[in-house]
Amino acid sequence: AQSVTQPDIHITVSEGASLELRCNYSYGATPYLFWYVQSPGQGLQLLLKYFSGDTLVQGIKGFEAEFKRSQSSFNLRKPSVHWSDAAEYFCAVGANNAGNMLTFGGGTRLMVKP
Amino acid sequence: KAGVTQTPRYLIKTRGQQVTLSCSPISGHRSVSWYQQTPGQGLQFLFEYFSETQRNKGNFPGRFSGRQFSNSRSEMNVSTLELGDSALYLCASRIGQGHTGELFFGEGSRLTVL
Repeated sequence: AQSVTQPDIHITVSEGASLELRCNYSYGATPYLFWYVQSPGQGLQLLLKYFSGDTLVQGIKGFEAEFKRSQSSFNLRKPSVHWSDAAEYFCAVGANNAGNMLTFGGGTRLMVKP
Repeated sequence: KAGVTQTPRYLIKTRGQQVTLSCSPISGHRSVSWYQQTPGQGLQFLFEYFSETQRNKGNFPGRFSGRQFSNSRSEMNVSTLELGDSALYLCASRIGQGHTGELFFGEGSRLTVL
C-alpha cells in the first residue's frame, strides 16, 4: 500500500523568502504524485502533478516540484513566497489502477511573516 | 463554468441519526469521488463513482455509502452517526477515469455530530 509523509507540520517563512516543503512517499511502482493547496474554508486546488518524464515539474502560482526516485521524494519549492501563499499544502500519491483514489500526506501548514 | 457544488455546506446531527450529502460535479465530468478530512486522520478516500458504478472504495465501514445518478450527480450517506464522523466531506470530480485530467474539489460539507 502506498503512503505519504510530510515531515513538517508547520513552517513559517518571511515574505519574499524561498520555500521548500518536503514530501516522501512509499509506493512499489512508478507513482503519480500531486501537490494540492487548501485555504481556510476551501476545497483543495491542484498546484502540480507528476506522471512521468521530466522530473522537474512546473505548476501554478510559481510553484515547482522535483521528483527524486532515489530518495522517494517530491519536494515542493517556490523561490519567493507571497503573503497569499499562506495555506495548508498536501502531497498525494496515486496508483495507475486506482482511479481517483489518492493517498494524502498529513499536510504542512505554511505561515508567512510580513 | 460552475465548479463542484456541495450541499449542504454545514450541518449538525446527533449520534444515531443519518445524513445525506450531495455533490454536483462540473458539467461534463463523469467521475466523482468523496474524501473525508479530519484533524486526526487527515484526508482519506471514501469512494469513487464513474458512470453510476462504484469503481473504488476506501477502508470505511458499511455505514458509509454512496451513489451516482445518470446526470453524474452524487450523494453519500452515513447512517447511525458516531461522534467520530464529524469531519469535512469533500467531493471531487474529473472528466473521466485515470490521472490525466485534473481532479477538481468542492468546498466541502462540514458535518458536526453531537
